[in-house]
Amino acid sequence: NAGVTQTPKFRVLKTGQSMTLLCAQDMNHEYMYWYRQDPGMGLRLIHYSVGEGTTAKGEVPDGYNVSRLKKQNFLLGLESAAPSQTSVYFCASSPRFGNQPQHFGDGTRLSIL
Amino acid sequence: KNQVEQSPQSLIILEGKNCTLQCNYTVSPFSNLRWYKQDTGRGPVSLTIMTFSENTKSNGRYTATLDADTKQSSLHITASQLSDSASYICVVSLNAGGTSYGKLTFGQGTILTVHP
Repeated sequence: NAGVTQTPKFRVLKTGQSMTLLCAQDMNHEYMYWYRQDPGMGLRLIHYSVGEGTTAKGEVPDGYNVSRLKKQNFLLGLESAAPSQTSVYFCASSPRFGNQPQHFGDGTRLSIL
Repeated sequence: KNQVEQSPQSLIILEGKNCTLQCNYTVSPFSNLRWYKQDTGRGPVSLTIMTFSENTKSNGRYTATLDADTKQSSLHITASQLSDSASYICVVSLNAGGTSYGKLTFGQGTILTVHP
């Protein structure tokens, strides 16, 4: 049981390049989330999904797009990377909201030069 | 504005000692409060979740308390171990009704270092 798996674990991009971060969960969770974590700040929600085929904006969605074509996968895309998007990105999933804990992956460390 | 403030920012203790981390929040309407442990280079892992009606919850050597009236929570770690060295994050959930997504507000975390 792998839980939440994020790929890649590390990546360096040049400004203007595009890339996709992949999140996969094997717990049959309905809800999935993408966060970014920056030094000295709490995690901030980028986008989330409450089910297959649905996505919604979080608090910092600009510059990112997401897709959830399959229940187990949640993709985060950067169309034109900017240095301000240098961060650690975490994916999480939960069976439903309410009092259920989120399960996090181990993050993707992304540097944009 | 919904906020979660944690104190102290960092803490150093000796192995075997106890410690208490604090969390104050202004999130309203409140649904639940969570404590997560995040080891360096890893994702956060849930320790406890408390609803409005719960004022204490334990998970091994970790005990969380909640005072919903004063909007304060604490995480007490007993008989600390080297493996307790991590960032501890307080997260408060907004009550959105039913099973609808309720916004989570994350604190910036308290970095705990346990020395031998």
